[in-house]
Amino acid sequence: GAVVSQHPSWVICKSGTSVKIECRSLDFQATTMFWYRQFPKQSLMLMATSNEGSKATYEQGVEKDKFLINHASLTLSTLTVTSAHPEDSSFYICSAKPPSASYEQYFGPGTRLTVT
Amino acid sequence: QKEVEQDPGPLSVPEGAIVSLNCTYSNSAFQYFMWYRQYSRKGPELLMYTYSSGNKEDGRFTAQVDKSSKYISLFIRDSQPSDSATYLCAMSEYRDKLIFGTGTRLQVFP
Repeated sequence: GAVVSQHPSWVICKSGTSVKIECRSLDFQATTMFWYRQFPKQSLMLMATSNEGSKATYEQGVEKDKFLINHASLTLSTLTVTSAHPEDSSFYICSAKPPSASYEQYFGPGTRLTVT
Repeated sequence: QKEVEQDPGPLSVPEGAIVSLNCTYSNSAFQYFMWYRQYSRKGPELLMYTYSSGNKEDGRFTAQVDKSSKYISLFIRDSQPSDSATYLCAMSEYRDKLIFGTGTRLQVFP
C-alpha cells in the first residue's frame, strides 16, 4: 500500500520559534498533499491543500503567513509553523493523493507539536 | 451546528458483538462518504468508501449511506479486540476536501 511518512513525529519548541514538519510520500508521487490539524477530542480540520509547484490553498481562518506550506517536489511537502505560540500546540497530519486516485488520500502518522 | 455530527463514545462491546457506528450531516451536497480507522497517535486509515446512497460490504465491514436522512453508518460484524480504535466518518462534495466527524472511540474487550 501507499506509505506517507512525517518527520518529526514529536517536537517541543519554545514560544516565538519556528518549526518545520516534513511530509513525504515514500512509494508514489503525490501531485496533491493536504495538511490537517487535530485538537484533542476534536475532528481533523483541513488547513490547506498544496499542489506541487504552485501556491497552497488555505482554508478560511488559517493564517497563510503563520503556516507556510511548500510543495517543492512530487514526494515532499513541508509545513512551517512560524512564531509558534502555545495555542498552536496540536497534532498535525498530512495526507497525499496519487494522480491516479479519484478519492483516496493516504495519511501520514502525524506530528505532535508542543509549544512551551 | 457542525456540518458532521458523530457521537464520541466511548463505545465498549464484548468480542464477537456487532458494532454500529453512525454520523449525521447537514450539507445535502455531500456525495462522497468514507470511514477511517485511527489508532492512538497514528494517522487515519481508509476503511470504506461509498459514493452517493447505498450499501457497501467488505469482509466484516458494511457501510450504509442514506442521503434522504443525511445519515451514514458503519457496521462491524464479529468484532475483535484489534478493532479497538477511533472511527472517523468523513464526507465531501468534491472528493478532495474532506469534512471529518469527531470520531467514535471503540473498545472491544475479550
